[in-house]
Formats: sequence, structure tokens, C-alpha cells
Amino acid sequence: DGGITQSPKYLFRKEGQNVTLSCEQNLNHDAMYWYRQDPGQGLRLIYYSQIVNDFQKGDIAEGYSVSREKKESFPLTVTSAQKNPTAFYLCASTIGLHTDTQYFGPGTRLTVL
Amino acid sequence: AQSVTQLGSHVSVSEGALVLLRCNYSSSVPPYLFWYVQYPNQGLQLLLKYTTGATLVKGINGFEAEFKKSETSFHLTKPSAHMSDAAEYFCAVSPRMDSSYKLIFGSGTRLLVRP
Repeated sequence: DGGITQSPKYLFRKEGQNVTLSCEQNLNHDAMYWYRQDPGQGLRLIYYSQIVNDFQKGDIAEGYSVSREKKESFPLTVTSAQKNPTAFYLCASTIGLHTDTQYFGPGTRLTVL
Repeated sequence: AQSVTQLGSHVSVSEGALVLLRCNYSSSVPPYLFWYVQYPNQGLQLLLKYTTGATLVKGINGFEAEFKKSETSFHLTKPSAHMSDAAEYFCAVSPRMDSSYKLIFGSGTRLLVRP
């Protein structure tokens, strides 16, 4: 079955640690996105990539980093510079057209202890 | 900058009653419009979208939405609520002139369905 997988589902981090969230898709989509979800705030865009080896900052990129070495993979690193990283993180992908549906993964819930 | 407003962070209806979730966008050029649903601790699933053509759009699970350019709105409706409709609903837009194809989301409306 085609889809997007995110791992782990739950992640706990101590303050000062970097953590990497995995996102893999087998939909052959060119564009991939990372969103952060906080209660009552909807989803906010962190980073996006429209092609391999290229990515762009979204609205809240500070304290995060990404890579896009393969079409299928778009990992997100939450660095120690992110002041309030506890949130639900969602990865999405799309063919790369305005009218195309963005398909979402099941999410990773990150908690900083 | 483009924005999306969803009126009401929580909406409560009785089972069998009409569901109406409101969404307004803020651009002079109508964007592409989407409604997504999220069940607890899950990702988002597309309910329906408007890109062009007929302004009344039908989606999954009996939901529909109507694009009204004069009101800059894209409200979501369902004639008869079911218990399984309880979830959070997000309206999103994709600005036509934005080459990133990113989505801009509203803050969401949590739908509660009373037995």
C-alpha cells in the first residue's frame, strides 16, 4: 500500500538534546512538508522540499533542520535551539501541484522532559 | 499575508442534526480551498477540495462545502451528524500565486456529537 510513514509515534527528549523524526513516502511524490501542530493553533509549516537536494524554510523554521537526499525521505531534526519543541509533528507529501491533495503521515508526538 | 479563519474552536451538535463549520479566507484572489479531518492522535485526511468549476463540492462521509466568492467563504456542512463525525476539522488554502504549493491552515474546529 502506498502512503507516508512517520517514526517514532512517540518521542521523549531531554532538554539540550537533538532528535530526528523520520518521514518516508512511497507515493513517488516530489514535494514533502513538515508541519507542527499545537492545540488551538492549527498546523504551521516548518520546512518544505519540492525536489531532491533542495528545501526551503517555512514559517517557523528556527530551531529545526532538514535534509532531502532521497525522494522518499525527508527527516526533520529538532535541535536544542528550539525553545519549545513539545508538539505533534506531521509530515505530508504531494505531487507538486496547487490542486493536488497533500497526504499526511500519522504524526510523531514529541515531548521534552 | 493570506489567512484562514475558522469561527468556533468547538461546535457541539446532536446526532442527526445539521453540521455547519465555518471557514473564511482573506485574499482578493480566491485560493484553492480544502477541508481536512483529523481523528485523535492521527494525521489529516482530505474531506473535499475546491479548485475550479462547480462551487458546491461533495466530499467523503456525506460532507459538502460551497465556495462563495462574494463572501470569501468555504463553509462545510453535513445534513445529519453521526457519532463517528466527532473529530477536528481544518480548513486550508493554497494561494494560487504561491510556487511552494504549501497549505495555510485555519486553527481548527472540534466537532462534538451528542447522542
